Amino acid sequence: AQSVTQLDSQVPVFEEAPVELRCNYSSSVSVYLFWYVQYPNQGLQLLLKYLSGSTLVESINGFEAEFNKSQTSFHLRKPSVHISDTAEYFCAVSGGGYQKVTFGTGTKLQVIP
Amino acid sequence: GAGVSQSPRYKVAKRGQDVALRCDPISGHVSLFWYQQALGQGPEFLTYFQNEAQLDKSGLPSDRFFAERPEGSVSTLKIQRTQQEDSAVYLCASSYESDNSPLHFGNGTRLTVT
Repeated sequence: AQSVTQLDSQVPVFEEAPVELRCNYSSSVSVYLFWYVQYPNQGLQLLLKYLSGSTLVESINGFEAEFNKSQTSFHLRKPSVHISDTAEYFCAVSGGGYQKVTFGTGTKLQVIP
Repeated sequence: GAGVSQSPRYKVAKRGQDVALRCDPISGHVSLFWYQQALGQGPEFLTYFQNEAQLDKSGLPSDRFFAERPEGSVSTLKIQRTQQEDSAVYLCASSYESDNSPLHFGNGTRLTVT
């Protein structure tokens, strides 16, 4: 069984400030980890993923996440947020023979001008 | 098409009615998933298809829920005798047959049962 915990349901942050969205997971097998983003009135889309290798992964729009096996975490960070980053962010975990992805409850990032 | 297409975008049903939700995955994608997302919650897994074979239906909440993908492309999620607790957004996602490939989601169907 696998599960994902996102403790923060909402995170308000001022524009150009740094942000961290927390994610902890549990799994009995090796995992793949993902962050998905849902912009207003749009479908979920992949932001970044950890499969293997380097524990630090980056997205094309400046987000990064670090896989920490000892702390079972995969926190999402951005050093300077923009208004366009306002969205809901979902952490997810997958493992096993096919990608049955388990999602967290989501964190709404609100960037304040 | 360019992405996963779901229809209808919105559906209002009276309690007890049957509904059918359609998903057109990305052409060539072998894997297809249905998720249910209740208000304020993350998506919850319902069922998984590999081509036309339904390999996992462990997430379907009751025998009122039925999904099919007869030709390995378009899929339909059917809910019989809808109940108020079925109100949610139903998401469809497709991907290549690989542990590494990302899920491509449609915009979902918002079902409201009155």
